[in-house]
Amino acid sequence: EAQVTQNPRYLITVTGKKLTVTCSQNMNHEYMSWYRQDPGLGLRQIYYSMNVEVTDKGDVPEGYKVSRKEKRNFPLILESPSPNQTSLYFCASSRSGEQPQHFGDGTRLSIL
Amino acid sequence: GENVEQHPSTLSVQEGDSAVIKCTYSDSASNYFPWYKQELGKRPQLIIDIRSNVGEKKDQRIAVTLNKTAKHFSLHITETQPEDSAVYFCAAIAYGQNFVFGPGTRLSVLP
Repeated sequence: EAQVTQNPRYLITVTGKKLTVTCSQNMNHEYMSWYRQDPGLGLRQIYYSMNVEVTDKGDVPEGYKVSRKEKRNFPLILESPSPNQTSLYFCASSRSGEQPQHFGDGTRLSIL
Repeated sequence: GENVEQHPSTLSVQEGDSAVIKCTYSDSASNYFPWYKQELGKRPQLIIDIRSNVGEKKDQRIAVTLNKTAKHFSLHITETQPEDSAVYFCAAIAYGQNFVFGPGTRLSVLP
């Protein structure tokens, strides 16, 4: 089954404790991206990757890191999480940037 | 960078009526315009998309129109049903650029 898998689905943690949200897709897609969703603000792109070893900043990259060492994986790293990063996060993939994006089920992060 | 505005933020219609959601974008280089539907607690899912070389596209009860000159595109849902109730997002992207979504429209279809 074609899918984008994110882990964990839920996480409550404390300020400053490094965390990683994993994202994996099995569709051989070249384009992957991370979004955060906050009430009234829609989906805002954090980082995107057009191919292996290529990453670019989206609209809200501050406080986040990503890497794309393999085509299927695109982890989101919060080196020193802060409460303003409490949000719902979605990973997505597509064949290219101008193609329909397939979203994962989301990760709800709470930073205390 | 690209900026996408979306109106209205909330929309209530009677079952069977039509619903229209409008989006405007700022970057004339944008060439791909998808629409996503997000039900409560679920992931966004693509419902229809349009490219800049097409003015209109239809899929059963859903249609999208694009006016490149005015930089706006619209989603039209006819014969609305209760299961159409959800949040709808428009988006725009240019080649090599980041995806930019509108803030969303909460559609309620009243029985």
